[in-house]
Amino acid sequence: SYKLTQPPSVSVSPGQTASIPCSGDSLENKYTLWYQQKPGQSPVLVIYEDDKRPSGIPERFSGSNSGNTATLTISGTQAVDEADYYCQAWDSRTVIFGGGTKLTV
Amino acid sequence: QVQLVQSGAEVKKPGASVKVSCTASGDTSTNYDINWVRQATGQGLEWMGYINPNSGNRGYAQTYQGRVRMTTKTSIGTAYMEMSDLTADDTAVYYCARGISVDKSPGKGWLYYFDVWGQGTTLIVS
Repeated sequence: SYKLTQPPSVSVSPGQTASIPCSGDSLENKYTLWYQQKPGQSPVLVIYEDDKRPSGIPERFSGSNSGNTATLTISGTQAVDEADYYCQAWDSRTVIFGGGTKLTV
Repeated sequence: QVQLVQSGAEVKKPGASVKVSCTASGDTSTNYDINWVRQATGQGLEWMGYINPNSGNRGYAQTYQGRVRMTTKTSIGTAYMEMSDLTADDTAVYYCARGISVDKSPGKGWLYYFDVWGQGTTLIVS
């Protein structure tokens, strides 16, 4: 079955750029989504269709997808961005989640 | 703005069954699926399956086939997830989420994402 792999943790200093990778076989051939989840809260969609931001998501969130890796980038990272981030794809009528990455600011 | 409101926390004994509800309110005119995702404490998100309230079509992750049943009652805008033969490993927060599918052919094919999530229902099996 298809698998998405994320690093367990990423650290970034406030104001710097955070990059969170998500890898999967030929992932560029699938759409990748990203969700943010803060402790005790439900996940929130922050990127869909590889690089699109839903209404209300700050411009500092961006996404890309090339080769075997999709990347969530947070520019000018703020303390409020500290959370778990999950990538997601869809394969053979099945939803696949990455294992999640804890972003520490 | 669509909202998904889930039923309250449950405590069950091993071997029992549980039924969790998810009620949609607001603009529900878009064709969508209701998906169920669970998260054990300190763990990641795990997709369980989906049901389409309009067509009744449903699909389950292989792990849950035979033990989970997803249904809807469209008259009251509610979806249900019922799971049987509970064990301690089923202790988790269960989320419903609205799944939106868009055919992007001839590009990458289907885009499928969750744009609205319920607040989560805690299940403790003990």
